[in-house]
Amino acid sequence: GDSVTQMEGPVTLSEEAFLTINCTYTATGYPSLFWYVQYPGEGLQLLLKATKADDKGSNKGFEATYRKETTSFHLEKGSVQVSDSAVYFCALDMADKLIFGTGTRLQVFP
Amino acid sequence: DTAVSQTPKYLVTQMGNDKSIKCEQNLGHDTMYWYKQDSKKFLKIMFSYNNKELIINETVPNRFSPKSPDKAHLNLHINSLELGDSAVYFCASSQAGGRTGELFFGEGSRLTVL
Repeated sequence: GDSVTQMEGPVTLSEEAFLTINCTYTATGYPSLFWYVQYPGEGLQLLLKATKADDKGSNKGFEATYRKETTSFHLEKGSVQVSDSAVYFCALDMADKLIFGTGTRLQVFP
Repeated sequence: DTAVSQTPKYLVTQMGNDKSIKCEQNLGHDTMYWYKQDSKKFLKIMFSYNNKELIINETVPNRFSPKSPDKAHLNLHINSLELGDSAVYFCASSQAGGRTGELFFGEGSRLTVL
């Protein structure tokens, strides 16, 4: 069935370091792909999305490119901040629901 | 003005009790969801409703019963609570239009069963 696989965390970085969080998916057809972020004590919120192959989603310095050939949607940021510390979820859009990956915790230290 | 609001935010109760969590959205969305997040942050869909009609009912014990009195509200009632029900329950909504699109989440309701 359709699924999303994320790299396990936690990912621990110093401020201003480069971030990559890997996400690959298995799906029939061409789903939309999403990254959601969950800050401590809060619900999930959409960070960025891409609806078709080769689309690049971007927001708040984060980027992810929909790669059909490698079935991937890796999240990147060139220079992380302490305030980026959160749990990041990759998600796959099925027709009637989102399927989420297991989440990757990011910890950024000053 | 909170878009998706859940009450209560925290719930501590004994095994065997019955409890309810309420959810309301003021976004005018047609579709609402309940997700369960376990202690490892794994997020799994439980139910979805579209305009008061049940669309998704994943393999959830029938002790869990959702109710949607109107398209702006989706409540979750849990009977005979068990230790394994301890989790954070998230309500979400979307303007599906045939594709899920963006989900808007509430802040979650942390349920602890003792």
